[in-house]
Amino acid sequence: GAVVSQHPSRVICKSGTSVKIECRSLDFQATTMFWYRQFPKKSLMLMATSNEGSKATYEQGVEKDKFLINHASLTLSTLTVTSAHPEDSSFYICSAGTYRGFGDYGYTFGSGTRLTVV
Amino acid sequence: KQEVTQIPAALSVPEGENLVLNCSFTDSAIYNLQWFRQDPGKGLTSLLLIQSSQREQTSGRLNASLDKSSGRSTLYIAASQPGDSATYLCAVRPQGGSEKLVFGKGTKLTVNP
Repeated sequence: GAVVSQHPSRVICKSGTSVKIECRSLDFQATTMFWYRQFPKKSLMLMATSNEGSKATYEQGVEKDKFLINHASLTLSTLTVTSAHPEDSSFYICSAGTYRGFGDYGYTFGSGTRLTVV
Repeated sequence: KQEVTQIPAALSVPEGENLVLNCSFTDSAIYNLQWFRQDPGKGLTSLLLIQSSQREQTSGRLNASLDKSSGRSTLYIAASQPGDSATYLCAVRPQGGSEKLVFGKGTKLTVNP
């Protein structure tokens, strides 16, 4: 089945540094990549949607200069948290979306990245 | 704005019990509804997808129903097992052309041996 590889699974960084999270679709081409943030006991919050070769569309309230998204190919998307601060500590998950025929649209989620900023 | 609510937030049951998880959404204009499973510190695994024209879907011990007009869905788990322990998330895809999903906060299920 479809697999999305997300790395790293855990990262601890110092305040003020940048962290890059990578998501690769291993055996299919992802038309769209969705990036979510998840707080404990909260819903997944959609941060942005990116399509290959175009700029990401950010949800209201998400700082696009802080959360840089690159979708350079149909199999790779990255999220860079720039100048990270402790309040950016969270669980980040990517989801690759693609049409699978007969109008069926499917989502394959990465395994998530636990970011801790100290 | 579409909102998805899941009740209860947490549920603890003994092994073997049948159980029902509830999901409600405020806007019935949806394309489909999905149930996902999330294990601690992990991503999401799709369990069942119900198109807006469908009433239910079944997979093994899982059965999901959809009443679009009333904005409700249920996930029924038969003969629960400790391996079913996880957080179950409900998500709707609103109509309107976007592929975005709107998630509930989830129900954390613990099945005790």
